[in-house]
Amino acid sequence: AAGVIQSPRHLIKEKRETATLKCYPIPRHDTVYWYQQGPGQDPQFLISFYEKMQSDKGSIPDRFSAQQFSDYHSELNMSSLELGDSALYFCASSRSYETQYFGPGTRLLVL
Amino acid sequence: KQEVTQIPAALSVPEGENLVLNCSFTDSAIYNLQWFRQDPGKGLTSLLLIQSSQREQTSGRLNASLDKSSGRSTLYIAASQPGDSATYLCAVGNFKTQGGSEKLVFGKGTKLTVNP
Repeated sequence: AAGVIQSPRHLIKEKRETATLKCYPIPRHDTVYWYQQGPGQDPQFLISFYEKMQSDKGSIPDRFSAQQFSDYHSELNMSSLELGDSALYFCASSRSYETQYFGPGTRLLVL
Repeated sequence: KQEVTQIPAALSVPEGENLVLNCSFTDSAIYNLQWFRQDPGKGLTSLLLIQSSQREQTSGRLNASLDKSSGRSTLYIAASQPGDSATYLCAVGNFKTQGGSEKLVFGKGTKLTVNP
């Protein structure tokens, strides 16, 4: 069965650089979510999209932006990276009110 | 604001023991509750999803119950095995007035170690 695909799996950036994370949801899923999990922390919701429109917004810094494209894939753009942005970034997808399936995550390290 | 608490934070048991992990949440207006497993440095694997209208779900040696009115869920693991060692996360999704599903609010997890 198809799963959520995230790329890249690992990313190393310098402070003040920009990073773009990509997420490809499970086919026919209408909602995409982004979560950030810092070291030793629980996942924190960043932002979600339903049918290509922003659906909900959590604790996402102004330096971050995201969008969902016509093919339903989503990208999280992170600018002016800070050391504290080092984390595991998860994308999840679901059909409305059903199980959220998580991707393997992108591990971002900011040096 | 929804808050999710998991007790205990860590648990170490001998192989073969039956065990219970606890999850509580402050806002009972949930739509569903999910239990996840996370191995160190890895992704989240969904174990069980309980809709708000359900009382329990079972998958193999796992059984999750939900008492929405009291804001509690338990994950029961039967005949634990060393391969069950991982962090178990409880997450709740609230009703959403607009289209799409609500974000998940996670607890901090229970780190389980099953000793051979």
